[in-house]
Amino acid sequence: QVQLVQSGAEVKKPGASVKVSCKASGYTFTNYGISWVRQAPGQGLEWMGWISVYNGNTFYAQKLQGRVTLTTDTSTSTAYMELRNLRSDDTAVYYCARDVTSHRRYFDLWGRGTLVSVSS
Amino acid sequence: EIVLTQSPATLSLSPGERATLSCRASQSVNYFLAWYQQKPGQAPRLLIDDASNRAAGIPARFSGSGSGTDFTLTISSLEPEDFAVYYCQQRSDWPLTFGGGTKVEIK
Repeated sequence: QVQLVQSGAEVKKPGASVKVSCKASGYTFTNYGISWVRQAPGQGLEWMGWISVYNGNTFYAQKLQGRVTLTTDTSTSTAYMELRNLRSDDTAVYYCARDVTSHRRYFDLWGRGTLVSVSS
Repeated sequence: EIVLTQSPATLSLSPGERATLSCRASQSVNYFLAWYQQKPGQAPRLLIDDASNRAAGIPARFSGSGSGTDFTLTISSLEPEDFAVYYCQQRSDWPLTFGGGTKVEIK
C-alpha cells in the first residue's frame, strides 16, 4: 500500500526542538522528492521545504531558513523534518507530501499530519 | 517569492450550482499550477496539476484552466462532498507557494 506514515503528536516548550518523521511504503523512496507543509489552526497551507531523496538537495522557505532541516534515511525509507527554537506560532499540523514525479513538484501523496503544539 | 491570491475567500452555493474559483499569481507561473481540495481534519487532495490536468480518480466535474498569472478552477455541478476549502499551488519557482484558499460552503 502506497502511503506516508507520520510520527505522533508532540508538545514542546518555546525554544525547544522537534523532529517529525514520515515513513514511506509501497513505492521506490528514492524516486520522488518530499516536501513538508504546515497548517496553523484555522489557517491555510504553508510550504516549508523540499528534499530530493535521490541526492539530498534541499530548498527551504526563507522565513524558516536556519531553523528547519530536512533529511532522509533511505535505509528505512523515512524522511525527517527538524524545527528548532520553537515559538508559539509554530503550533500547527505538519504534513509530509510526495512529489507527483521527480520533476513535477505537486503533491499526490500526503501523510495524515502531525500536530506540534508549542506552549509554555 | 511568487504570491498566489485566491478569490473569493468564501463562496456560498447550493448543490447542483456551478463554482468558479480564481487564483492569481504575482508573476507568470506559465502553466505550473495545481489545485487541491481539503476537508476538515484531512490532508489536502490533489485535484488538478499543470493548470488543467485532472489527477487520477478526480471526477470530470472538476476542471482547471488558465496560464501565466490567471487561473480558474471550475466545479460544473456541486455535489454535497465538494463543500470544502480549495488551494492553488505553484511549482514555477522556489519557494513553492500556496494561495490562501477559497472556502466553498453550502448556501
